[in-house]
Amino acid sequence: AQSVAQPEDQVNVAEGNPLTVKCTYSVSGNPYLFWYVQYPNRGLQFLLKYITGDNLVKGSYGFEAEFNKSQTSFHLKKPSALVSDSALYFCAVRPNNQAGTALIFGKGTTLSVSS
Amino acid sequence: GAVVSQHPSRVICKSGTSVKIECRSLDFQATTMFWYRQFPKQSLMLMATSNEGSKATYEQGVEKDKFLINHASLTLSTLTVTSAHPEDSSFYICSARDGAALTQYFGPGTRLTVL
Repeated sequence: AQSVAQPEDQVNVAEGNPLTVKCTYSVSGNPYLFWYVQYPNRGLQFLLKYITGDNLVKGSYGFEAEFNKSQTSFHLKKPSALVSDSALYFCAVRPNNQAGTALIFGKGTTLSVSS
Repeated sequence: GAVVSQHPSRVICKSGTSVKIECRSLDFQATTMFWYRQFPKQSLMLMATSNEGSKATYEQGVEKDKFLINHASLTLSTLTVTSAHPEDSSFYICSARDGAALTQYFGPGTRLTVL
């Protein structure tokens, strides 16, 4: 079965420190990979995506993610965390050979940045 | 990025009434839209995939007669919760696929409370 794993329910970092939110996937073929962020009582905001090309993709608010095909990972990173980055982060995948299908989501990781 | 609006943002209704939620893609056309349900501190659960001009495809366990979906145009999909009951109380989020960008964009969500 195709799936997305976010192994950490919560990640805690101090403001100014680098952060990593992990994501691994199990999908057939070459997937499209996405990160979204959700603030309380809000919908999901698109952060970044990997479709093809350079394995390191840069997105909104200083976030970036690295696609690693051999490890089937797409970890989200930011060099210096802000308190305002505290939110719920979702990794999502769509097999690129299944046009029209919905994204497969991970369970989400809560990021807490302390001042 | 592309914008998806959702209306209303919050609705409180009595048990037995029907509630309609609208989802609009504001600056792109969306052949495919998706409806999700999210429980507190959980990931998104796909309810159905809505294709413009055709019947929606419902996920297993989702009652199509209870959750009516209409995708009458390339910018509008509606979800009607018929004869709502307290167990239907939830956060409903729509999403629209921007085919050109190969990306799903999400609405801000609708908080439904059935008394």
